[in-house]
Amino acid sequence: DIQMTQSPSTLSASVGDRVTITCRASQSISSWLAWYQQKPGKAPNLLIYKVSRLDSGVPSRFSGSGSGTEFTLTISSLQPDDFATYYCQQYNNYSGTFGQGTKVEVK
Amino acid sequence: EMQVVESGGGLVQPGGSLRLSCAASGFTFSTYWMSWVRQAPGKGLEWVANINQDGTEKYYVGSVKGRFTISRDNAKNSVYLQMNSLRAEDTAVYYCVRGGGGGSSSSPWGQGTLVTVSS
Repeated sequence: DIQMTQSPSTLSASVGDRVTITCRASQSISSWLAWYQQKPGKAPNLLIYKVSRLDSGVPSRFSGSGSGTEFTLTISSLQPDDFATYYCQQYNNYSGTFGQGTKVEVK
Repeated sequence: EMQVVESGGGLVQPGGSLRLSCAASGFTFSTYWMSWVRQAPGKGLEWVANINQDGTEKYYVGSVKGRFTISRDNAKNSVYLQMNSLRAEDTAVYYCVRGGGGGSSSSPWGQGTLVTVSS
């Protein structure tokens, strides 16, 4: 099974900061990598799919990059609405493993 | 509007069974992989199972293999999760989601249905 390792687990930041979250796959997943945002008590929302494609309505301050086994989510200028938990997911044919999550909290 | 709505959660004793249902609307259901994802209280997301468009391919996380069965009925735009031999560690909110396999990312998500396994 493909394992996804996300880091850091917690990130303390301020409004306006540039934030980067990393996700590593245990084997190559090509471009089948997505990022989700989840707020307390809510279902996750898709932010980015296929490594770097923004879902409809997602602000352009979010971006994704990477290939093969290493991927990053970047928030260029953190906004108050962005304090949440972020998950990566690989979604190849056989499974849909998530990373452990990164909680972005107020510094 | 694309939507998935879960139902069937509840309180069940260890060793018991429960069947979750998910009704989809707003998209061509028969052309998408479907998945179940769960989230234990205070924990992260865990992919549980997925199923391909015609139900001929099904995959499970190791901890539920042999106990859970995913299925779908394209005529009813529905996907199901039959959960047997339930354990306390299966306690979680279970989300139905379009995609999550076969090259499809996971969206949209349902609101989730809570399964509590306790005596």
